[in-house]
Amino acid sequence: AQSVTQLDSQVPVFEEAPVELRCNYSSSVSVYLFWYVQYPNQGLQLLLKYLSGSTLVKGINGFEAEFNKSQTSFHLRKPSVHISDTAEYFCASVRAGTASKLTFGTGTRLQVTL
Amino acid sequence: EAGVAQSPRYKIIEKRQSVAFWCNPISGHATLYWYQQILGQGPKLLIQFQNNGVVDDSQLPKDRFSAERLKGVDSTLKIQPAKLEDSAVYLCASSTYRGRSTDTQYFGPGTRLTVL
Repeated sequence: AQSVTQLDSQVPVFEEAPVELRCNYSSSVSVYLFWYVQYPNQGLQLLLKYLSGSTLVKGINGFEAEFNKSQTSFHLRKPSVHISDTAEYFCASVRAGTASKLTFGTGTRLQVTL
Repeated sequence: EAGVAQSPRYKIIEKRQSVAFWCNPISGHATLYWYQQILGQGPKLLIQFQNNGVVDDSQLPKDRFSAERLKGVDSTLKIQPAKLEDSAVYLCASSTYRGRSTDTQYFGPGTRLTVL
């Protein structure tokens, strides 16, 4: 069985500061990894996904994530956050080669303040 | 391109009552998903359709939950009777016709259900 662990439930950060949201996955088989963002009262929106190839993945809104197989991690980063980045962020995995059944982490609340 | 539509956005019911949620996926998307998102948790897949056939309903509490997608487009999720623990946001998502693990899932805004 696969699982996703998001190590921080909340991350407070000042505007224009860098941020890293941590995600670790557990699976005995190959997985694809995703980061989704959920703004208040909205559905989830895909930020980026890792399928294969380069371990550094760039997404929308200036976010990027690095796949680290040895550490089984897929941390999300942004060099300079904006107030509008305040949202809930979910890491998710899906078993490669299967119908797309996403397994989500519990989410990290990013709170950006002035 | 219109996104995934869901209605209603909010619903408050008493326990033991029935409730239904509606979802209209993105045009041309054959794969449709229903997720349950309990407060403080990530979304959990309830059921996945490929066109009007069920691909995965292993986590659907079938004694009280049912879902259908009769014409391979719109879908309805029903709870009968509702319990307090069903209070959650119910998210609908859709993806392209193949429903592969690499596909991006597009989510609707969700229906927030409160059971009193």
